[in-house]
Amino acid sequence: KAGVTQTPRYLIKTRGQQVTLSCSPISGHRSVSWYQQTPGQGLQFLFEYFSETQRNKGNFPGRFSGRQFSNSRSEMNVSTLELGDSALYLCASSLPREGGPMSNTEAFFGQGTRLTVV
Amino acid sequence: GQNIDQPTEMTATEGAIVQINCTYQTSGFNGLFWYQQHAGEAPTFLSYNVLDGLEEKGRFSSFLSRSKGYSYLLLKELQMKDSASYLCAVRGYNDYKLSFGAGTTVTVRA
Repeated sequence: KAGVTQTPRYLIKTRGQQVTLSCSPISGHRSVSWYQQTPGQGLQFLFEYFSETQRNKGNFPGRFSGRQFSNSRSEMNVSTLELGDSALYLCASSLPREGGPMSNTEAFFGQGTRLTVV
Repeated sequence: GQNIDQPTEMTATEGAIVQINCTYQTSGFNGLFWYQQHAGEAPTFLSYNVLDGLEEKGRFSSFLSRSKGYSYLLLKELQMKDSASYLCAVRGYNDYKLSFGAGTTVTVRA
């Protein structure tokens, strides 16, 4: 089956602009999580969506937002970009139990979107 | 919150064994994952532990001690393709996120 698809793969933006990244999960997966990966901070959790609802949010400023559609596809948006937002943004999908925390279902990651802010 | 520590780098010889340790301090625990990430690629799932003990999967094994907040990933019969970053991640109880360690870069030399 097809894996997690993220678009675009690469993106260059200037400071102050906004950006929208897209993630299509594995078919049948209803949970989508977003992570930021930088050399200095490693993988940092941004937020997680299930059935169009944000269930958990990491410690990022309000400039970072997301949403999930009825087909489980998800988007994340970053407004007023800063140089420090340059990173690899990874999306992961999984198949959790209904209404409860995930069991031993692993998260499958997409290839990521490499965002460079200049 | 979660605090997850693992060594930054390890080097080993082809055919050898390497053990990557991971210690964690968590406000709740609902499983520990190991991921492998090659440069420029997405992390890929290696193993999952939620109960104490050893899980073996081919050349890779993972161990968990919940009372000690400790896990290790054992890579046996190292191959050049095993050169990658290995990420330890903990899921909190009633949580929906994975908290990752900074990753351990393993370099396999001929």
